[in-house]
Amino acid sequence: DSGVTQTPKHLITATGQRVTLRCSPRSGDLSVYWYQQSLDQGLQFLIQYYNGEERAKGNILERFSAQQFPDLHSELNLSSLELGDSALYFCASSPISGTEAFFGQGTRLTVV
Amino acid sequence: AQKITQTQPGMFVQEKEAVTLDCTYDTSDQSYGLFWYKQPSSGEMIFLIYQGSYDEQNATEGRYSLNFQKARKSANLVISASQLGDSAMYFCAQGAQKLVFGQGTRLTINP
Repeated sequence: DSGVTQTPKHLITATGQRVTLRCSPRSGDLSVYWYQQSLDQGLQFLIQYYNGEERAKGNILERFSAQQFPDLHSELNLSSLELGDSALYFCASSPISGTEAFFGQGTRLTVV
Repeated sequence: AQKITQTQPGMFVQEKEAVTLDCTYDTSDQSYGLFWYKQPSSGEMIFLIYQGSYDEQNATEGRYSLNFQKARKSANLVISASQLGDSAMYFCAQGAQKLVFGQGTRLTINP
């Protein structure tokens, strides 16, 4: 158990819908990262937050947004979902940027 | 741009043998980390080992060691005395804030 909690574990939704993925980092970790893993793209960095502020941005679509709350949990919002958004979405956390990042178990999103 | 290359899509190894998984990286960053993760068929990403770019000694964690050759931009993972439970996908990653991952190596341990 990495100490990073992601909910839900599985999500099936229809095209055009909006979903929210939730992440609780390890106790004491200030940095939260979101990654997308798909068969064709591999593991792609989406976005990083550090102590509530956006720190780094990757290949995150405009339809996707994220935030980190004062209690340090984070949410990834995916809207106007397309079939191609089906993937495993990981959250990871670390005490500070650039050190060991521990991953949650992921949320498997299926868009039908 | 950062790039990670794992040249071995798949490897088959006999149980109890040592195995080396290759990883080369390309970055212009001066300070960065190198990471290895294991992803079993269940899908979770398990952190294995970390090496800082300024660390002079190779990192070790139990049966895992990281063979870091900075001049060659190489960060190979060595697993000693492999076990059946080591069968999984292995990903090399590099970065300072965001991690860039390689495409992975699927390791299969045969009894």
